[in-house]
Amino acid sequence: EDQVTQSPEALRLQEGESSSLNCSYTVSGLRGLFWYRQDPGKGPEFLFTLYSAGEEKEKERLKATLTKKESFLHITAPKPEDSATYLCAVQARGRGSTLGRLYFGRGTQLTVWP
Amino acid sequence: DTGVSQDPRHKITKRGQNVTFRCDPISEHNRLYWYRQTLGQGPEFLTYFQNEAQLEKSRLLSDRFSAERPKGSFSTLEIQRTEQGDSAMYLCASSLGGAGYEQYFGPGTRLTVT
Repeated sequence: EDQVTQSPEALRLQEGESSSLNCSYTVSGLRGLFWYRQDPGKGPEFLFTLYSAGEEKEKERLKATLTKKESFLHITAPKPEDSATYLCAVQARGRGSTLGRLYFGRGTQLTVWP
Repeated sequence: DTGVSQDPRHKITKRGQNVTFRCDPISEHNRLYWYRQTLGQGPEFLTYFQNEAQLEKSRLLSDRFSAERPKGSFSTLEIQRTEQGDSAMYLCASSLGGAGYEQYFGPGTRLTVT
C-alpha cells in the first residue's frame, strides 16, 4: 500500500535557524512527489514537484531534494512568515484509474519565532 | 488565472440534513479532485473527474456521498443524511492533466455537523 510518513510532526525554530523536514514514502512506482504549504484554515499551496532521484528544486528559502526513498525540504534562515504546515504527497505510476490521486502525509507543523 | 474557488467557505448543519458544496476549477484544467481533511491529518482522496467523467471513487466515499461535474466545468459534492463524522474540511483541486501534474487547491469548505 502506498504510504507517506513525515517527520517531525512539529518543529520550532528561531528565526535564522536552518533545518530540514523529512518525507519518507513507499509507493508502487513514483510518478511525482509534491510539497505543499498549508496555512491554518486554508487550502494547500503548491510549492514543488520532484520526479526522479537526485532532483532538486529551490524557491526563496526553501529547497526540496529527492532520493529513492525520501524527500527533504530544507529551510535556510527561516523567517516567522515561513510558519505553516508543510505537506508532502506522492503520486503513483501505474495502470488504471488510480493515476492522478495524491497520497498525503500528515504534515510537519513549523513554527518560526523571532 | 483566478484560481480554484469553493462555495460556501463554511457550513454548519444538523445531523441528518443534506448539504451540497460547489467547486469552480481553474478554467483550462480538465481534471478535478475532491479531498477531505480532518484536524491534524493530511488531505484524503475522495474522487476525481476528467472532464465530465468520474474516473475513480475512494472507499471513503460512502453511498451518502455523490459528486457531479456536468459539462466538465464546475463540480458539486453532495452529502446526504449528514453524520457528525462528516465534519471536516472538504477540499477541491484541479490540474491540467493526470500523472505528474501538480494539483492546485481551493480554500476549502469547512463542514460542521451538530
